[in-house]
Amino acid sequence: DAMVIQNPRYQVTQFGKPVTLSCSQTLNHNVMYWYQQKSSQAPKLLFHYYDKDFNNEADTPDNFQSRRPNTSFCFLDIRSPGLGDAAMYLCATSSVGVGEKLFFGSGTQLSVL
Amino acid sequence: DQQVKQNSPSLSVQEGRISILNCDYTNSMFDYFLWYKKYPAEGPTFLISISSIKDKNEDGRFTVFLNKSAKHLSLHIVPSQPGDSAVYFCASPSGSRLTFGEGTQLTVNP
Repeated sequence: DAMVIQNPRYQVTQFGKPVTLSCSQTLNHNVMYWYQQKSSQAPKLLFHYYDKDFNNEADTPDNFQSRRPNTSFCFLDIRSPGLGDAAMYLCATSSVGVGEKLFFGSGTQLSVL
Repeated sequence: DQQVKQNSPSLSVQEGRISILNCDYTNSMFDYFLWYKKYPAEGPTFLISISSIKDKNEDGRFTVFLNKSAKHLSLHIVPSQPGDSAVYFCASPSGSRLTFGEGTQLTVNP
């Protein structure tokens, strides 16, 4: 029944060790988003894909990259995680166009040791 | 520059009473607003929305009010239930992004 699936739910990595978070969807939505949420803060958009078109937010650090090999899957790569990158990472999809009703996955809680 | 603000980080109400969650925005171009609900260790789920052509939208126990002149919206939950305890985010689309407020933790006490 799950529509937007994120794996893993919890990820622990070491400082500087690359990590990849994954997201898949069964909704066939054309837009996929990655948000970062730190405790008691608003979810912050990192980037999104409109089909294969990648849209990076101006303030997203270069340390964060994304790949979307097909409609169903999207990956978030953190090349050299720092302690400040510990957060909940939320994947979301939408079909109406950008900025409309989003469907979120359960998130991946990333810890950096 | 936080364009969507939720100034109350937390709210506690008794079961059966009304919960009122508030949200302010600064961008007068915002014309559509959404409320999301988030339980711990889960992603946000869509709750209710309102277009700027309306000043009220109701869905069961949930009603959202929009005051465009004050750039303010509020979510009313009545009657509140313990299962409503969650973080509530207001959000508005702007260009290619959905801008969220910081969220309000609602606790409904039995």
